[in-house]
Amino acid sequence: GENVEQHPSTLSVQEGDSAVIKCTYSDSASNYFPWYKQELGKGPQLIIDIRSNVGEKKDQRIAVTLNKTAKHFSLHITETQPEDSAVYFCAANPNRDDKIIFGKGTRLHILP
Amino acid sequence: NAGVTQTPKFRVLKTGQSMTLLCAQDMNHEYMYWYRQDPGMGLRLIHYSVGEGTTAKGEVPDGYNVSRLKKQNFLLGLESAAPSQTSVYFCASSGQGGSTLHFGNGTRLTVT
Repeated sequence: GENVEQHPSTLSVQEGDSAVIKCTYSDSASNYFPWYKQELGKGPQLIIDIRSNVGEKKDQRIAVTLNKTAKHFSLHITETQPEDSAVYFCAANPNRDDKIIFGKGTRLHILP
Repeated sequence: NAGVTQTPKFRVLKTGQSMTLLCAQDMNHEYMYWYRQDPGMGLRLIHYSVGEGTTAKGEVPDGYNVSRLKKQNFLLGLESAAPSQTSVYFCASSGQGGSTLHFGNGTRLTVT
């Protein structure tokens, strides 16, 4: 089955700097890679996703890159702001399966 | 539009007791999922359903049962609660496999 590894587990970044979170996956059949943001006391919310036919996707300050050969994908947040402080999860979904498997999460702290 | 609603929000059980967690969605979604979230472990899939009357096992199904008698509801049952089942439980729904998950705000369960 699919296994998703996520690093780092904790990340502290000065406000205005960039943050990068990296994930690897094991199942080469996976073709959908979403990223979720979880704020305190709430359920995760989708912030961006990418499919395997695309190498990069951007949405304002957030971008995701995918390297299918190496089986890794990354989340990039530029010009970080205090409201970016949260837990971020990467996930993967194998094409032949209806499961979405999550990484263990990264707690992002934006320092003033 | 309520989205995904989980009840109860909090519950304390004694070892050996049983309970049912209820998840309801009003988006007419086919797919529904139950995850548990533990510190340092991320979100782990317990069971899921791809339509009314269907259920399937996820990554950590032992000790749990589920039912999907109505399309809008997905029930998670604990037959004989154990301290290892202390966790925050999240329900999610999606319109199809490999697409955006809409999460509820979770149920915090403590088993003493």
